[in-house]
Amino acid sequence: DAEITQSPRHKITETGRQVTLACHQTWNHNNMFWYRQDLGHGLRLIHYSYGVQDTNKGEVSDGYSVSRSNTEDLPLTLESAASSQTSVYFCASSERRHNEQFFGPGTRLTVL
Amino acid sequence: GNSVTQMEGPVTLSEEAFLTINCTYTATGYPSLFWYVQYPGEGLQLLLKATKADDKGSNKGFEATYRKETTSFHLEKGSVQVSDSAVYFCALTLASGGSYIPTFGRGTSLIVHP
Repeated sequence: DAEITQSPRHKITETGRQVTLACHQTWNHNNMFWYRQDLGHGLRLIHYSYGVQDTNKGEVSDGYSVSRSNTEDLPLTLESAASSQTSVYFCASSERRHNEQFFGPGTRLTVL
Repeated sequence: GNSVTQMEGPVTLSEEAFLTINCTYTATGYPSLFWYVQYPGEGLQLLLKATKADDKGSNKGFEATYRKETTSFHLEKGSVQVSDSAVYFCALTLASGGSYIPTFGRGTSLIVHP
């Protein structure tokens, strides 16, 4: 069965370190998204991609970057982790841009 | 910009009670509307959707109707179960300059007691 996976599921890091969260999907979807989920804010879009070599900034992109070198993967990099980036991160994909999204299980990141 | 407003939770109900979770949206255009459900420790999963006015989405006993005149997409279920306890998110997707930007509400926590 097709799926979307994220790794690691839990990560603890220190302020100032670079961190990369992996997202891999086997749906063969062109569209992929990264969100963060925080209490009181719901889901906020960080970056998204409509295909290989395409990346776009979302609502809360400062301090984050993504790259899309193939259809299956969209890694999210925190260039210099800050305590404000402690959150749960979700990756998602969709077949068409306006369609429903399929979500991964999430990565809980703690920045000390 | 686009926005989605959901009723604040938690919503606490007894088993077999009727559920309504209100959702209204603001959008310039004709969005597609979705309800997602998130169980503890998991990612979101699609519950139901509607893509045009007056469409009714339904799944697992849940229903929601796309009301363009009131810009609403309220979620309902006639008889909730303990297993329905979760967080529910209303969302929309709308074209904007060639992009389809998804917008989510803040989520409504539902707690169902036996």
